[in-house]
Amino acid sequence: DTGVSQDPRHKITKRGQNVTFRCDPISEHNRLYWYRQTLGQGPEFLTYFQNEAQLEKSRLLSDRFSAERPKGSFSTLEIQRTEQGDSAMYLCASSFRLALQETQYFGPGTRLLVL
Amino acid sequence: AQSVTQPDIHITVSEGASLELRCNYSYGATPYLFWYVQSPGQGLQLLLKYFSGDTLVQGIKGFEAEFKRSQSSFNLRKPSVHWSDAAEYFCAVVNTGTASKLTFGTGTRLQVTL
Repeated sequence: DTGVSQDPRHKITKRGQNVTFRCDPISEHNRLYWYRQTLGQGPEFLTYFQNEAQLEKSRLLSDRFSAERPKGSFSTLEIQRTEQGDSAMYLCASSFRLALQETQYFGPGTRLLVL
Repeated sequence: AQSVTQPDIHITVSEGASLELRCNYSYGATPYLFWYVQSPGQGLQLLLKYFSGDTLVQGIKGFEAEFKRSQSSFNLRKPSVHWSDAAEYFCAVVNTGTASKLTFGTGTRLQVTL
């Protein structure tokens, strides 16, 4: 069990550029979550997948954001036409959902800075 | 919708002293409750969780938390703090009906003085 991994760990981009982040969950975990954390705040839910199905999206997830989990394994989060307000830590978590009692395990995060 | 309040933004304790971090939740039923810890620039590490049963739960690194339904609280405690415990601590709740996304508090930053 190598834990949840995220790539890249840091990303600096210019406003208007597109960025893509990758998350590799713990193997055999069927759920994958994305959260966003801004400075001084707790993480906020963005979206989650069960296997390859995207089951819920937050209102925080504008149409510039898209997430995929094509084969039910790794996931990507893409932000198009980045804005300075997108600067944040993007956290991925995975869990194994068998019953209601599931525990989410987090990756190290991708810190995005939009100039 | 559920919510979590962590009233203390910043706490400073001396190494070896006891610690209690407060967490209050708002939810219509008994939620699932979690405490995570985050070191600077890092992801979140699970300290402990409460689903049901014994209201005093033990976690890693010597931490424990007690669920008190009457006070809607899930406070985190440690009898003797170590300098390496300095970090940000987040309380989180999950809706037991859907049991999916976590709702986090704003966190408490712990500083440990030597």
